[in-house]
Amino acid sequence: AQSVTQLDSHVSVSEGTPVLLRCNYSSSYSPSLFWYVQHPNKGLQLLLKYTSAATLVKGINGFEAEFKKSETSFHLTKPSAHMSDAAEYFCVVGGSQGNLIFGKGTKLSVKP
Amino acid sequence: DAGITQSPRYKITETGRQVTLMCHQTWSHSYMFWYRQDLGHGLRLIYYSAAADITDKGEVPDGYVVSRSKTENFPLTLESATRSQTSVYFCASSDLGGGDQPQHFGDGTRLSIL
Repeated sequence: AQSVTQLDSHVSVSEGTPVLLRCNYSSSYSPSLFWYVQHPNKGLQLLLKYTSAATLVKGINGFEAEFKKSETSFHLTKPSAHMSDAAEYFCVVGGSQGNLIFGKGTKLSVKP
Repeated sequence: DAGITQSPRYKITETGRQVTLMCHQTWSHSYMFWYRQDLGHGLRLIYYSAAADITDKGEVPDGYVVSRSKTENFPLTLESATRSQTSVYFCASSDLGGGDQPQHFGDGTRLSIL
């Protein structure tokens, strides 16, 4: 069975500093992995997707994630946080039913 | 504009009542999904549909009914609402099935059951 664990429920950074949101996954086969972002009172928007091509995946708004099979991790990073990055972020693994299996989310706060 | 639209955005109802949440997509995507989002649980799949007239249960289907008579619509009905069904409900769609396909989400329906 597939699952994801987001290691931090809340991360707080200052504007202009790096962002690191941590995610570990479990999968019985080569997984498809995603990061989604949710702004308040909005739906989820796809940030990036990994499907066994390059291990470093670039997404929208300057985010990227690195797939590390040996560590079963798929951490999301951004070199410099903006105020507009404040949102909730979900790490997601593709399920065997064709569905998506979501982590519990990490709320990112950005201080001026 | 193309996209996925959920209605209503907010709904308050009472226990025991029937309520239907609507979902409409303009991409002609084959697959549609219903999720509920609760604090501490992330999003959990309620039902999904691979095509018109084909639906299947997800992780938490009890108390919900779906139908899909047209490709673009996928309504979710709570036949007799309970307080435990207070949640934010998201509809999503994807062109192809499979766990490697990203899904496109609506803005959600916030449902409160008193």
